[in-house]
Amino acid sequence: RKEVEQDPGPFNVPEGATVAFNCTYSNSASQSFFWYRQDCRKEPKLLMSVYSSGNEDGRFTAQLNRASQYISLLIRDSKLSDSATYLCAVNGPGDTGRRALTFGSGTRLQVQP
Amino acid sequence: ETGVTQTPRHLVMGMTNKKSLKCEQHLGHNAMYWYKQSAKKPLELMFVYNFKEQTENNSVPSRFSPECPNSSHLFLHLHTLQPEDSALYLCASSQDRWGTSDTQYFGPGTRLTVL
Repeated sequence: RKEVEQDPGPFNVPEGATVAFNCTYSNSASQSFFWYRQDCRKEPKLLMSVYSSGNEDGRFTAQLNRASQYISLLIRDSKLSDSATYLCAVNGPGDTGRRALTFGSGTRLQVQP
Repeated sequence: ETGVTQTPRHLVMGMTNKKSLKCEQHLGHNAMYWYKQSAKKPLELMFVYNFKEQTENNSVPSRFSPECPNSSHLFLHLHTLQPEDSALYLCASSQDRWGTSDTQYFGPGTRLTVL
């Protein structure tokens, strides 16, 4: 099983739609979770951190489900400008263990007019 | 945004060349990272430096040689590369390797083509 797994998509949705992505992770001791956005041929940019209690930033909502070991990203009222690849990132366990982030391969979103 | 800068942005080199990629971060962070991103593959962690010390080498071939002279600068020296090394090389930084903030911020990357 991959450490971090995402559906590559593409997810093709009309403007205004609500879309959700999931990302599963294999290490139950992971402590930090993030969603990044990557535009074509650009660097990943932090979209939001994912907290245990979930968090919301405008049209974007992130959730963590530790029991099932996945994080989710919900985008409401999709805009054309939301078209991008969404990467989830998960860190390793513990103080001395691997804490560098492991990235999923990304889910591509295409919002259509 | 100029938090993490990388030069050059594009590089074409032959297999016998020697070149270096440079990364500089202006965020006061203490951890820096090199990643490789090939087409249709996830980001692959190459090296991690924390407080100028290399803390992780992810089985990277010796034709890639990192250097971290201080917490703000990171280099990746390249020699005798192969065409399959063509990729986007991304530098990132975070507050520190073991701290409470693992959030990483990326530079714009160097798009490398090996002929």
